[in-house]
Amino acid sequence: KAGVTQTPRYLIKTRGQQVTLSCSPISGHRSVSWYQQTPGQGLQFLFEYFSETQRNKGNFPGRFSGRQFSNSRSEMNVSTLELGDSALYLCASSYTTSGDYNEQFFGPGTRLTVL
Amino acid sequence: GDSVTQMEGPVTLSEEAFLTINCTYTATGYPSLFWYVQYPGEGLQLLLKATKADDKGSNKGFEATYRKETTSFHLEKGSVQVSDSAVYFCALTGGSNYKLTFGKGTLLTVNP
Repeated sequence: KAGVTQTPRYLIKTRGQQVTLSCSPISGHRSVSWYQQTPGQGLQFLFEYFSETQRNKGNFPGRFSGRQFSNSRSEMNVSTLELGDSALYLCASSYTTSGDYNEQFFGPGTRLTVL
Repeated sequence: GDSVTQMEGPVTLSEEAFLTINCTYTATGYPSLFWYVQYPGEGLQLLLKATKADDKGSNKGFEATYRKETTSFHLEKGSVQVSDSAVYFCALTGGSNYKLTFGKGTLLTVNP
């Protein structure tokens, strides 16, 4: 079974631009979560989608948004990029119904650099 | 809110040494606890988990016991190998089962 894939793997943008990152979950997984990893703040939860609905959201500004498609693929978007948005963005998928924790499988991440 | 505190690294050991990485947590209710490992250039892999008090998670020679009385979930391995060199993250899920709260991570380097 193929793992979680994220595209692109590396991205360089300039301040003020916007960016879209993509995540394809493991086949059959309906939940997709996004995390931001930085040296200073560590791993922080961005949001989680299940069946095209955002179920949970972390403490990030509105410039960070996401969506999920009917095939469970997910995208996250960051508008008006700031230098501090430089980070590794990790996507995780799980086969979750409701209420029960299921193991989250992580992708390799997208390394975003903002200049 | 929920939080995880793990020992600061980096930790440098010789091969076959004993490893302990401390992890304590703060959470409401009864969280599930996890250790994840991140190898260079890769995403996170679940190493082990425990879902209730006194549970012991184990995998690849690593162990951790869910201690509710001390709110701890320390990671141990009796004999580390060079291939264990990685960053280790302690994490929990609290009231919402969809969100992982992570510690800052501990870089482990094992020398031959």
